[in-house]
Amino acid sequence: AQSVTQLGSHVSVSEGALVLLRCNYSSSVPPYLFWYVQYPNQGLQLLLKYTTGATLVKGINGFEAEFKKSETSFHLTKPSAHMSDAAEYFCAVIEGSGAGSYQLTFGKGTKLSVIP
Amino acid sequence: DAMVIQNPRYQVTQFGKPVTLSCSQTLNHNVMYWYQQKSSQAPKLLFHYYDKDFNNEADTPDNFQSRRPNTSFCFLDIRSPGLGDAAMYLCATSSRGRNTEAFFGQGTRLTVV
Repeated sequence: AQSVTQLGSHVSVSEGALVLLRCNYSSSVPPYLFWYVQYPNQGLQLLLKYTTGATLVKGINGFEAEFKKSETSFHLTKPSAHMSDAAEYFCAVIEGSGAGSYQLTFGKGTKLSVIP
Repeated sequence: DAMVIQNPRYQVTQFGKPVTLSCSQTLNHNVMYWYQQKSSQAPKLLFHYYDKDFNNEADTPDNFQSRRPNTSFCFLDIRSPGLGDAAMYLCATSSRGRNTEAFFGQGTRLTVV
């Protein structure tokens, strides 16, 4: 079974500071990895995904993540935090059911607070 | 533009009274999922449909059922809601294939009184 671990359930940064949200994965096969963002009382929105190819993946809202196989990591970064980035962020890995369909397994989430 | 639509956004039900949550999609995706998300927790997969094939997670309580009458619609039925079933319920869709993303609806916040 594949899994992801998010380090830090809550991260606070100052507006304009670097955002770094950590995610490590465990997988016996090459993983497909995702970052989702969730605003209060909303569904999840895809920020970015890594499947194959370039290991540095750029997403929406200025976020990017780098797949590092040697470190089994897929950390999410943004150079300069904005107040609107305050939300909960979920790292996820995709698993196959063996019946041709796949489903996401989520980490426990990291709540990002941005301090003015 | 909404692609995955959940109704209602907020649902209040009485303890033990059956309730149905609905989800519709305009993406024509093969796969539809139902997740349960409790406060400050990750979404937990309850079950999913791959076309008409129903796939139940091993630890999903029997109290939760689902129906998918056609490609566009999927329903979550909670036969006898308990206080512990209060949560956000998220519907998502995806097409076939391992590298495809899941598209989520806005969720239904269920309160049990």
